[in-house]
Amino acid sequence: ETGVTQTPRHLVMGMTNKKSLKCEQHLGHNAMYWYKQSAKKPLELMFVYNFKEQTENNSVPSRFSPECPNSSHLFLHLHTLQPEDSALYLCASSQPTVGSDTQYFGPGTRLTVL
Amino acid sequence: GNSVTQMEGPVTLSEEAFLTINCTYTATGYPSLFWYVQYPGEGLQLLLKATKADDKGSNKGFEATYRKETTSFHLEKGSVQVSDSAVYFCALIDGGATNKLIFGTGTLLAVQP
Repeated sequence: ETGVTQTPRHLVMGMTNKKSLKCEQHLGHNAMYWYKQSAKKPLELMFVYNFKEQTENNSVPSRFSPECPNSSHLFLHLHTLQPEDSALYLCASSQPTVGSDTQYFGPGTRLTVL
Repeated sequence: GNSVTQMEGPVTLSEEAFLTINCTYTATGYPSLFWYVQYPGEGLQLLLKATKADDKGSNKGFEATYRKETTSFHLEKGSVQVSDSAVYFCALIDGGATNKLIFGTGTLLAVQP
């Protein structure tokens, strides 16, 4: 148990559906992250939030829409996804300290787009 | 830009064998270095880290030393167990406002009884 939870753990959706992924951290951190893990590719950073403000968008398509209502919660809203968006989506949090903070990961949401 | 290169897997070992997973990095300055482990069906867990040159990170029998001269952070364990079977990721912090983690591609370790 790392203190970062994600729901749902598994999600199957059609290309026309709208769904949301939820992440919650109980560590008192002020930075939260979304990563995408696809088969045979390095982990890709998608978004970073520091103190509820988005500080990084790594050229992610607009069909992925993040939301960070407070420092403990992070959402990823999904709409009109493509089959190639099927992947494991990982959330992480950290206490931002320049150059040496440690990120703690949740268990991930396994997303399948049909 | 900053990057991490780690050895291709899978690595298959017998129980109690010695493990080395190579990791080298390219970075400006001296970033913090990490090893994360991902067990089947789970997210990533921090295994160990080192924040400056010559530091040795250690945890659960695993060790890695931050080598500035060779820009390396190789992971070692003297005697692996079946329960160590997982994917291991080397990473560095890309400093700046966002503190991005830059990951290697991961190395699958399979330990056979």
